[in-house]
Amino acid sequence: EAGVTQSPTHLIKTRGQQATLRCSPISGHTSVYWYQQALGLGLQFLLWYDEGEERNRGNFPPRFSGRQFPNYSSELNVNALELEDSALYLCASSLSRVEQYFGPGTRLTVT
Amino acid sequence: GQSLEQPSEVTAVEGAIVQINCTYQTSGFYGLSWYQQHDGGAPTFLSYNALDGLEETGRFSSFLSRSDSYGYLLLQELQMKDSASYFCAVSSPVGGYQKVTFGTGTKLQVIP
Repeated sequence: EAGVTQSPTHLIKTRGQQATLRCSPISGHTSVYWYQQALGLGLQFLLWYDEGEERNRGNFPPRFSGRQFPNYSSELNVNALELEDSALYLCASSLSRVEQYFGPGTRLTVT
Repeated sequence: GQSLEQPSEVTAVEGAIVQINCTYQTSGFYGLSWYQQHDGGAPTFLSYNALDGLEETGRFSSFLSRSDSYGYLLLQELQMKDSASYFCAVSSPVGGYQKVTFGTGTKLQVIP
């Protein structure tokens, strides 16, 4: 069974640009979660999608947005990038909502 | 809202036992999970407690006291490969669904 996949692995953008990160959940999983992990810090919850709907979002500005497609894959968009957006962005999928399976992450660097 | 508190760093000797504590505040509670994350890696699920008591999985055990809003992860016979960050996470009801909120993580360093 393939795990959660994320692309790209690394992304380098300049301040003010837009970034798009992608996530494919484990087959059969309908929930996708996005987290931001700045260097040496914990997991900050960004967004939660389930069955194509946004169920909850964390304490992030509106320039962080996303969507979930009919095949349950998901996209995270970050507009008007700022230097402090540099972080590891992790996607996780879940079926039971107890155990989350994480992807390898996308390392976003904003210069 | 939900908030969790755990120590930022813990150091322990190889072969010893270490306990990582987690206290939480939440309106509504389903259970407490633990995740392990090695440097440069993704978090991986370790355990989940919905009821009070101790759950054992090999060298790792997890404990929950719902009345005290407290749990801990116990690692026995520590190995160097156990050096990692450990996150507790609380599952709680949000808008009719179950949401998971992570703590800030405890960095465990195992020394020879």
